[in-house]
Amino acid sequence: QVQLQESGPGLVKPSETLSLTCTVSGGSISSYYWSWIRQPAGKGLEWIGRIYTSGSTNYNPSLKSRVTMSVDTSKNQFSLKLSSVTAADTAVYYCAREVEYDFCMDVWGQGTTVTVSS
Amino acid sequence: QSALTQPASVSGSPGQSITISCTGTSSDVGGYNYVSWYQQHPGKAPKLMIYDVSNRPSGVSNRFSGSKSGNTASLTISGLQAEDEADYYCSSYTSSSRVFGGGTKLTVL
Repeated sequence: QVQLQESGPGLVKPSETLSLTCTVSGGSISSYYWSWIRQPAGKGLEWIGRIYTSGSTNYNPSLKSRVTMSVDTSKNQFSLKLSSVTAADTAVYYCAREVEYDFCMDVWGQGTTVTVSS
Repeated sequence: QSALTQPASVSGSPGQSITISCTGTSSDVGGYNYVSWYQQHPGKAPKLMIYDVSNRPSGVSNRFSGSKSGNTASLTISGLQAEDEADYYCSSYTSSSRVFGGGTKLTVL
């Protein structure tokens, strides 16, 4: 059974770059889309973007200028970088597997909290 | 892209049925049959309950069903149980992106 685990700093300073990694276990990362979703405390979900194992990406237009995603198939990992962060980027960040052609997320990580503060 | 519109809260008694609506536009909900629904318990990750408007993943109870009419999708939960109390989010494909609803808190009375 595929499992996802997010990792990365829990505290990032304003204007710096948030970096998170998601490790895929129990299955191959190949031939799937992998997504990042975030959720500010007490608020709803926001799709950040997705990456295919070929490196092809789609990003939320509202975040596109600040987002970079990458994948490392040798390590079964994919990553998120969000630049020029502000307090508004404070949230729980989830990684998830997206089902191709159904555009839904069927496997989720447990989430990791990132706080933007000086 | 704007968030899809969901009621902030709904409630029902055990054994009853409830329906949660999710309203978008012809650019998202109305334009594609790629509406999905997620259940989220406090402090937990979301769980996929419905995909492609009305399909249930393996392991999801048949008490959960989905439908769509025009720009509005709906999630119906029949035979309400205490463990159904959670937040529910709809999501739709839109122009190479995804959009979520604001979420609905379901209270089982």
